[in-house]
Amino acid sequence: DTGVSQNPRHKITKRGQNVTFRCDPISEHNRLYWYRQTLGQGPEFLTYFQNEAQLEKSRLLSDRFSAERPKGSFSTLEIQRTEQGDSAMYLCASSPPGTPYEQYFGPGTRLTVT
Amino acid sequence: AQSVTQLDSHVSVSEGTPVLLRCNYSSSYSPSLFWYVQHPNKGLQLLLKYTSAATLVKGINGFEAEFKKSETSFHLTKPSAHMSDAAEYFCVVSDRAGTYKYIFGTGTRLKVLA
Repeated sequence: DTGVSQNPRHKITKRGQNVTFRCDPISEHNRLYWYRQTLGQGPEFLTYFQNEAQLEKSRLLSDRFSAERPKGSFSTLEIQRTEQGDSAMYLCASSPPGTPYEQYFGPGTRLTVT
Repeated sequence: AQSVTQLDSHVSVSEGTPVLLRCNYSSSYSPSLFWYVQHPNKGLQLLLKYTSAATLVKGINGFEAEFKKSETSFHLTKPSAHMSDAAEYFCVVSDRAGTYKYIFGTGTRLKVLA
């Protein structure tokens, strides 16, 4: 069990650029979640996949954000035309079919928009 | 709608004295409740979880929490604080149906004084 992995761990980009993050969940975990954590705050839910289907999106996920989970395996989160307010830690979590309430978190990708 | 309130943003204790971090929740359904710890520049680590079994839950590193439905509380305790306990602590509520998404509190920063 290698745990949830996220790449890159850190990303610095200039305002207006596009960025893409990747999350590899634990094998056999059918549910995958993205959260965003800004400085001094708790993580906030962004979106949720069950297998390849994106079943819920938070109102925090503006139209500049898009997430995919092709084939129900890894997931990508893309931010287009980044803004300074997008600077945050982006966390991915996955959970197994038997205990869907038990999420396992990755180390996160820290995005800094300059 | 679910919500969670961490009643203290900062708590300071002396090493060797008890720790109490307070959490109240609101949920339309019977919830799952969790406590996570986050050390500086580290990922989220699960301390303990309540998922409808025993109301007194024991976790790692000597932490405990008690689910009190009548008080809608899930306070975290530890009999004797260690310097290594200094970190940010998050209380989390999740429904046991639907998306199982997590709703995080705003966090309590625990400081342990020598």
